[in-house]
Amino acid sequence: DSGVTQTPKHLITATGQRVTLRCSPRSGDLSVYWYQQSLDQGLQFLIQYYNGEERAKGNILERFSAQQFPDLHSELNLSSLELGDSALYFCASSVGVGYEQYFGPGTRLTVT
Amino acid sequence: GESVGLHLPTLSVQEGDNSIINCAYSNSASDYFIWYKQESGKGPQFIIDIRSNMDKRQGQRVTVLLNKTVKHLSLQIAATQPGDSAVYFCAENLGYGGATNKLIFGTGTLLAVQP
Repeated sequence: DSGVTQTPKHLITATGQRVTLRCSPRSGDLSVYWYQQSLDQGLQFLIQYYNGEERAKGNILERFSAQQFPDLHSELNLSSLELGDSALYFCASSVGVGYEQYFGPGTRLTVT
Repeated sequence: GESVGLHLPTLSVQEGDNSIINCAYSNSASDYFIWYKQESGKGPQFIIDIRSNMDKRQGQRVTVLLNKTVKHLSLQIAATQPGDSAVYFCAENLGYGGATNKLIFGTGTLLAVQP
């Protein structure tokens, strides 16, 4: 158990819908990261927050957004969902920049 | 159309043998590297890391070697056990020492340990 929690574990929804994925980092970690893992793209970095501020963006679609709250938990919002958004979404946390990232168990999103 | 899955290279070893998993990274500016293990249905699990000012680092049963000249990373697992069976990813960090900590993952290697 990495100490990073993610909810929900599974999510099934229809195209065009919007969902919110939630992540709680390890106690003491200030940085949160979101990754997408799909069969044909592997693990892709989406976005990083540090102590509430966005720090880096990767291959994140405009339909996706995220935020980190004052209590350091983070949410990833996915809207106008498409079939291709079906994937595992992982959250990771680290104590700061340049330190190892610890991953949560992931949320499996299925868009039908 | 149907998605084509990533073709993962596979390393098959006998229990008790040593395993070596290789990885080529892409960015010469990367200064921090991590190996992760991912078991089926789970998130990536941190194994060991190495910073660019080192060329070797040892952990418990694992050793990471870094060759910056050819941008190559390897993970050695001693006395491989069935519980080591998983997909192993190397990741390079872009941004250490700066304001970001963006990990770029390799495609992964499937390690299959035969009893």
